[in-house]
Amino acid sequence: GQSLEQPSEVTAVEGAIVQINCTYQTSGFYGLSWYQQHDGGAPTFLSYNALDGLEETGRFSSFLSRSDSYGYLLLQELQMKDSASYFCAVRDGRSNYQLIWGAGTKLIIKP
Amino acid sequence: EAGVVQSPRYKIIEKKQPVAFWCNPISGHNTLYWYRQNLGQGPELLIRYENEEAVDDSQLPKDRFSAERLKGVDSTLKIQPAELGDSAVYLCASSPTGTGDSYGYTFGSGTRLTVV
Repeated sequence: GQSLEQPSEVTAVEGAIVQINCTYQTSGFYGLSWYQQHDGGAPTFLSYNALDGLEETGRFSSFLSRSDSYGYLLLQELQMKDSASYFCAVRDGRSNYQLIWGAGTKLIIKP
Repeated sequence: EAGVVQSPRYKIIEKKQPVAFWCNPISGHNTLYWYRQNLGQGPELLIRYENEEAVDDSQLPKDRFSAERLKGVDSTLKIQPAELGDSAVYLCASSPTGTGDSYGYTFGSGTRLTVV
């Protein structure tokens, strides 16, 4: 089967660093994606990891460990505008290669 | 470049009534997706098109849902008749064919459907 687990909510302080974890179980693995979605808004693509290691894009970084079926999204120098839900997603070969999404992590940032 | 355009933005209908959603993808994006997102959950794929062909509709409730993508550009998703459980946000997304997940999907702002 397939499943993704991520925390439902994370709270952090403006200017700090926060890590959002994602574990997955899939039949076959074709990479881990991260999306951001503000309340009432469209999901926006953040990053994609196909290989182990850290990918950095500005204040956001994404990490993947295929042996551990685990990844995380790291947000640095948090800003109030980063308050949003963050989704990890994997493509599952047994589901016709559909992109399967986690339930999302709501990031709450306090001043 | 214009993004993925969806309409209407909001829709309230009574149960058993029909409803239709429209999507205009990014120009040149051959792959188009319709997703449904319930509150507090991730999007779930309903149907995927490659040009005008529906290549994955395994999760589309075909007894009441239908979709079309005439000429391989705009797409319409229809529900008839709507049920209370259909209340959700319906998202359209598009991506260039053959890029895999490296560039992600571009989503529209969605249609928030409320069935009363």
